Amino acid sequence: QVQLVQSGAEVKKPGASVKVSCKASGYTFTGYYMHWVRQAPGQGLEWMGRINPNSGGTHYAQNFQGRVTLTRDTSISTAYLDLSRLRSDDTAVYFCARGGEGATFDPWGQGTLVTVSS
Amino acid sequence: QSVLTQPPSASGTPGQRVTISCSGSSSNIGSNYVYWYQQLPGTAPKLLIYRNNQRPSGVPDRFSGSKSGTSASLAISGLRSEDEADYYCAVWDDSLSGPLFGGGTKLTVL
Repeated sequence: QVQLVQSGAEVKKPGASVKVSCKASGYTFTGYYMHWVRQAPGQGLEWMGRINPNSGGTHYAQNFQGRVTLTRDTSISTAYLDLSRLRSDDTAVYFCARGGEGATFDPWGQGTLVTVSS
Repeated sequence: QSVLTQPPSASGTPGQRVTISCSGSSSNIGSNYVYWYQQLPGTAPKLLIYRNNQRPSGVPDRFSGSKSGTSASLAISGLRSEDEADYYCAVWDDSLSGPLFGGGTKLTVL
């Protein structure tokens, strides 16, 4: 079955960077965009960006331009989210989700909690 | 502040029918398909409705979606306790060249 498995929780200090991984299985990794969405505690969903695993091409949400980098390793069907210059308001659960037509996100990874605290 | 507007909360009793609205604009709902996601407490979101009114396999027909102009709605009939969750609408926005999520609606089953 199609599955996305993310790396474990992280605790980081303000100003640091974090890298979250998302390993795909059960489908052709290069055939679908991979999106990243975050959810701050008690808040809604916020789209961060997407990567085309086939070409490596990326598109980032305006709010994250300059701080987020999406990459992938097709040899191990894994996508990565790198977020730099972390602030306390970056504390959130970060999800990867396979993309489809329009705003299709299916399935989602289990989420990775990133806590930014001094 | 999301540009897709949902009511922050909704409620109903078991067996009732509830609707959740999602209001947008011509650059998003007015010109693209609407999607709905269900997020049960402590879990990742799950695709509930795609292309305005289509259900993925496994989603009960108690859930239905509709769209008119720049607004969309999710209806849940025969409400059950396990439907208690957060519901999000989502749509591609042509102006942003990216997807948007509504602010989410917390559904409580009384």
